[in-house]
Amino acid sequence: EAGVAQSPRYKIIEKRQSVAFWCNPISGHATLYWYQQILGQGPKLLIQFQNNGVVDDSQLPKDRFSAERLKGVDSTLKIQPAKLEDSAVYLCASSIGTGGPSTDTQYFGPGTRLTVL
Amino acid sequence: TQLLEQSPQFLSIQEGENLTVYCNSSSVFSSLQWYRQEPGEGPVLLVTVVTGGEVKKLKRLTFQFGDARKDSSLHITAAQPGDTGLYLCAGPGGGSSGSARQLTFGSGTQLTVLP
Repeated sequence: EAGVAQSPRYKIIEKRQSVAFWCNPISGHATLYWYQQILGQGPKLLIQFQNNGVVDDSQLPKDRFSAERLKGVDSTLKIQPAKLEDSAVYLCASSIGTGGPSTDTQYFGPGTRLTVL
Repeated sequence: TQLLEQSPQFLSIQEGENLTVYCNSSSVFSSLQWYRQEPGEGPVLLVTVVTGGEVKKLKRLTFQFGDARKDSSLHITAAQPGDTGLYLCAGPGGGSSGSARQLTFGSGTQLTVLP
């Protein structure tokens, strides 16, 4: 079974530029998550989708970050314009989306490492 | 806000030694999960503990959930270089939607096992 795919794996941009990340979840997984992991910290949830609807985006800086999952499968996360503090690894995860938290396992992709200069 | 604090933040030991890392919270969790994250990869789930006082073993790794379900520990026996990685604990909830499938992560323990 293929895992969660993310691209690109690495991205270096200058501040005020735009960047987009792509995620392809495990086939059949209804729930998709985007996390931000700053060096030395645990992942922090940015947004959660259930199919193509947003469940929670309360921690997404909406003045510069946007995310979509138009067909309920792939998702993109965009930052425009980027700031120095956006340097982090952006992780995508997916889960089947049924059952409780102890059974609905999240599977993570390898992440995109973003460096903002 | 549910917070998970992990200690120590960094741990460097020699191959063959034993170690314990901790995950503590002031909140009660219905379950806790432990993940290992290797460089350049996403976290991988090791175990889920759901019952207060529960002990689970995964080869040389022993996980314990506190009786009050506010803390957990991970003990590694005879550590090997392959155990090197970032160990993260995570609990459900924490988002504004109240979705129990959301995870709140601790800041992790970076373990290095030297050959």
